[in-house]
Amino acid sequence: SQTIHQWPATLVQPVGSPLSLECTVEGTSNPNLYWYRQAAGRGLQLLFYSVGIGQISSEVPQNLSASRPQDRQFILSSKKLLLSDSGFYLCAWSGGQLNTEAFFGQGTRLTVV
Amino acid sequence: GENVEQHPSTLSVQEGDSAVIKCTYSDSASNYFPWYKQELGKRPQLIIDIRSNVGEKKDQRIAVTLNKTAKHFSLHITETQPEDSAVYFCAASPPLTGFQKLVFGTGTRLLVSP
Repeated sequence: SQTIHQWPATLVQPVGSPLSLECTVEGTSNPNLYWYRQAAGRGLQLLFYSVGIGQISSEVPQNLSASRPQDRQFILSSKKLLLSDSGFYLCAWSGGQLNTEAFFGQGTRLTVV
Repeated sequence: GENVEQHPSTLSVQEGDSAVIKCTYSDSASNYFPWYKQELGKRPQLIIDIRSNVGEKKDQRIAVTLNKTAKHFSLHITETQPEDSAVYFCAASPPLTGFQKLVFGTGTRLLVSP
């Protein structure tokens, strides 16, 4: 069966520090991968998606970047965190077919102080 | 691009009552409409979805209706139970090839009181 792992679960980082959140998927190949951010009291905002290794599309301009060095690995990064980067970050995957369920990781609660 | 609005933002009901959450979307080409439930501190999980070739879908106590003309869809929960308390998100996906691009609503916090 397929599983998705995301870590760390919680993170407190000072302003200006770098960020690296990692997500891996097991049990499937060539998944579509997504990074979402959920700000307090708001919905799920799509940040990045990837349909293959090295293929990254950004949905919103921001202080973050994403990379996909391996088929089932998706990394969210920042060189210098801002206070506004605080939030709940969720990695997700879906199959290559259209209109299929998206499976979410457990999420990372990031607090920038 | 697609824009999804969701109402109400909070909904309180008594156990056994029905709950209805409504969403509207802007892109008439969107053809997939899932609903996710997120319990406190947990990941969102799919509870039901509907495709644009169907007007209604039911799964036990939950049902979703879709009005393509008006571009709105709704989640109906009957005989609510305390364990239904959670945040519910609707989403819409345009018919892109190779992957799906879910645009989520802002969520509805449902509280079911015993």
